[in-house]
Amino acid sequence: GAGVSQSPRYKVAKRGQDVALRCDPISGHVSLFWYQQALGQGPEFLTYFQNEAQLDKSGLPSDRFFAERPEGSVSTLKIQRTQQEDSAVYLCASSFYGSYNEQFFGPGTRLTVL
Amino acid sequence: QQQVKQSPQSLIVQKGGISIINCAYENTAFDYFPWYQQFPGKGPALLIAIRPDVSEKKEGRFTISFNKSAKQFSLHIMDSQPGDSATYFCAASHSEVSQGAQKLVFGQGTRLTINP
Repeated sequence: GAGVSQSPRYKVAKRGQDVALRCDPISGHVSLFWYQQALGQGPEFLTYFQNEAQLDKSGLPSDRFFAERPEGSVSTLKIQRTQQEDSAVYLCASSFYGSYNEQFFGPGTRLTVL
Repeated sequence: QQQVKQSPQSLIVQKGGISIINCAYENTAFDYFPWYQQFPGKGPALLIAIRPDVSEKKEGRFTISFNKSAKQFSLHIMDSQPGDSATYFCAASHSEVSQGAQKLVFGQGTRLTINP
């Protein structure tokens, strides 16, 4: 079966532009997570969805970051007025709902802000 | 605040040797400790995970050792192979579903190189 897919794989934006990153989770996975991975660092949690409900957005670094999952499957992470410090790999992960469930990660979108 | 500290930052091991990576955590509410393997250009992939009710878990060449009192856990890779060359991340999370998420808190990563 297909894993988690993300698009685009690479995105270059000029400072101040808005970007939208897409995540297609594994079919049937209730939980969806977004993480940000800076170069040479571990992933850092951004936000969590259970179906279409965004239950935790404590990791979003500013109000320029917005995520949605309107139908409980595909999710979009939007960054408005991008800044150079937003340059990173954005990872999406999905899992079955419940304790101790493995999170399956997508390949990530590498965002470079010039 | 770095809740999960990982060491070393990089590690070089000869083929056939034992690779050891260590992690320490601060939050005693953590009760799930996975290790992820990441190759360049790929997302992290689960390697092995442990819960604090056991002190050791082994899967093939990979073993997690867990010390609850010291709040430390480690990954041992036996008979290390060149194909094991990757970046390894330890992580920790709460399992409490009522909290809404089992978001993972990752260590900083260890770049492992296995020399042939």
